[in-house]
Amino acid sequence: EAGVTQSPTHLIKTRGQQATLRCSPISGHTSVYWYQQALGLGLQFLLWYDEGEERNRGNFPPRFSGRQFPNYSSELNVNALELEDSALYLCASRWGASTWGELFFGEGSRLTVL
Amino acid sequence: GENVEQHPSTLSVQEGDSAVIKCTYSDSASNYFPWYKQELGKGPQLIIDIRSNVGEKKDQRIAVTLNKTAKHFSLHITETQPEDSAVYFCAAIVDRGSTLGRLYFGRGTQLTVWP
Repeated sequence: EAGVTQSPTHLIKTRGQQATLRCSPISGHTSVYWYQQALGLGLQFLLWYDEGEERNRGNFPPRFSGRQFPNYSSELNVNALELEDSALYLCASRWGASTWGELFFGEGSRLTVL
Repeated sequence: GENVEQHPSTLSVQEGDSAVIKCTYSDSASNYFPWYKQELGKGPQLIIDIRSNVGEKKDQRIAVTLNKTAKHFSLHITETQPEDSAVYFCAAIVDRGSTLGRLYFGRGTQLTVWP
């Protein structure tokens, strides 16, 4: 069975541009989470979607947004890119809206902002 | 919100030795504590977790202990092997209100096991 898949693997943008990252959860998983992994900072919670609704968002500015589609896939949009947005963006999925239990992570999308 | 601190940031051990990674948390309402292992170029993978009503949990060479009074939890790896080399993250969750669903991660420990 396929795991969580993310695209693109790498993305290079310049300041002020927009980036769109995509995630396909494990089949049957309805919850999708986005985390930012900047160098040396661990994983920072960005967004949580379940059944197409945003359930919670982390302490990031509004230019970080996303959505979840009817097939439970998700995209993360980052507008007006800044240099400090350079990071690995990880998507994870889980079955149902329970907040306990294993999160299954993808391998991430590496965003570089020049 | 919750604040999770993790130590050490790097840890080198000889194959066969034990490794211990420690984490503290700030919110006494935290009730679930997973540990994730991240190998180079991969996403994090859950290796063990513990809930707040349990003091210790073991799975083969891996164990986690939780001290709710002191608000700290630890990962113990015995008989380490080179394939244990990776970055390990502890995390905590406070399942209420604005923090619902949000895992708070430590900054990670780079474990290197020398053959």
